[in-house]
Amino acid sequence: ETGVTQTPRHLVMGMTNKKSLKCEQHLGHNAMYWYKQSAKKPLELMFVYNFKEQTENNSVPSRFSPECPNSSHLFLHLHTLQPEDSALYLCASSQSPTEAFFGQGTRLTVV
Amino acid sequence: GENVEQHPSTLSVQEGDSAVIKCTYSDSASNYFPWYKQELGKRPQLIIDIRSNVGEKKDQRIAVTLNKTAKHFSLHITETQPEDSAVYFCAAVQGAQKLVFGQGTRLTINP
Repeated sequence: ETGVTQTPRHLVMGMTNKKSLKCEQHLGHNAMYWYKQSAKKPLELMFVYNFKEQTENNSVPSRFSPECPNSSHLFLHLHTLQPEDSALYLCASSQSPTEAFFGQGTRLTVV
Repeated sequence: GENVEQHPSTLSVQEGDSAVIKCTYSDSASNYFPWYKQELGKRPQLIIDIRSNVGEKKDQRIAVTLNKTAKHFSLHITETQPEDSAVYFCAAVQGAQKLVFGQGTRLTINP
């Protein structure tokens, strides 16, 4: 257990659905990240938040919408996804620039 | 932005031999270089890291070297064991938060 918790662990959604991924950390870290892990791009940075402010959007399509209401919680809102968006979505946090702790990930399947 | 290249993508060594994984980075402002190990079905976990003011760091069978001039860093694993089999990721931290990973190396230790 790393102190970073992601829910749900598995998610199957249709292309017209709207769903949200949740990440929670109580490590007192100031930075939180969303990564997409797939066979094509093993650890692709999507978004970075520092003290609740988004500091990085790595050219992610608008069908992915992050939200960071406080420094302990991070969400990824999903809508009108494509089958190629199926992947493992990993959340991480760090007291940058030091070790990043990862959650267990959400395995997303878009049908 | 930062770009991290990692080689090789797959590596197979005999148990007891050494393994070396190499990475290059593009942004000279990057100042922190962690290495993560991801076992099958598990989250990435930090195994060793090095900061830009240090040239080499060792922790038991694992060592990392950094050449700031050439902008490359390497992971060395000696006396490899079957439990070393995993995917290894190098990363570079640009500025305060942006943690960018290489493409990963699948290391297989053959008994």
